[in-house]
Amino acid sequence: SQTIHQWPATLVQPVGSPLSLECTVEGTSNPNLYWYRQAAGRGLQLLFYSVGIGQISSEVPQNLSASRPQDRQFILSSKKLLLSDSGFYLCAWSHGPEGGYTFGSGTRLTVV
Amino acid sequence: GENVEQHPSTLSVQEGDSAVIKCTYSDSASNYFPWYKQELGKGPQLIIDIRSNVGEKKDQRIAVTLNKTAKHFSLHITETQPEDSAVYFCAASGNTPLVFGKGTRLSVIA
Repeated sequence: SQTIHQWPATLVQPVGSPLSLECTVEGTSNPNLYWYRQAAGRGLQLLFYSVGIGQISSEVPQNLSASRPQDRQFILSSKKLLLSDSGFYLCAWSHGPEGGYTFGSGTRLTVV
Repeated sequence: GENVEQHPSTLSVQEGDSAVIKCTYSDSASNYFPWYKQELGKGPQLIIDIRSNVGEKKDQRIAVTLNKTAKHFSLHITETQPEDSAVYFCAASGNTPLVFGKGTRLSVIA
């Protein structure tokens, strides 16, 4: 069966520090991968998605970047965090854009 | 691009009553409409989905209806139980990533 792992679960970082959140999927190959951010009362905002290794689409211009160094690994990064980067970050995978998404358990990021 | 509106933002029902959450979408090319349930501190979980070639789908106490002409789709939960309390999200997509509504916080009062 397929599983998705996301870590860390919680993170408190000072403004201006770097960020690296990692997501891995097991039990499938060539998944579509997604990073969403969830702010209170604002639903899920798509940040990045990837249909293959090295292929990244950015939905919202911002202080973040994403990379897919391996087929089942998706990384969200920032060189310098802003207060506005605080939120709940969710990784997800699917078989194509019209398949059901499976979400990871999320990372609660607080920038102080 | 796609825009999904979801109502209501909060909903309180008595245990055993029904709950209905409604969504509208803007892109007529969208053809996949899933619903997710998110419990506190966890990632959303897919509970039911419907595709544009189907008008209604049921799974035990949960049903989803789709009106493609009006660009509406709804989630119906019957015989609600306290464990149904959570935030529910609708979403829509065509050949693009899912666009989510802002969520409905459902509280089932025992």
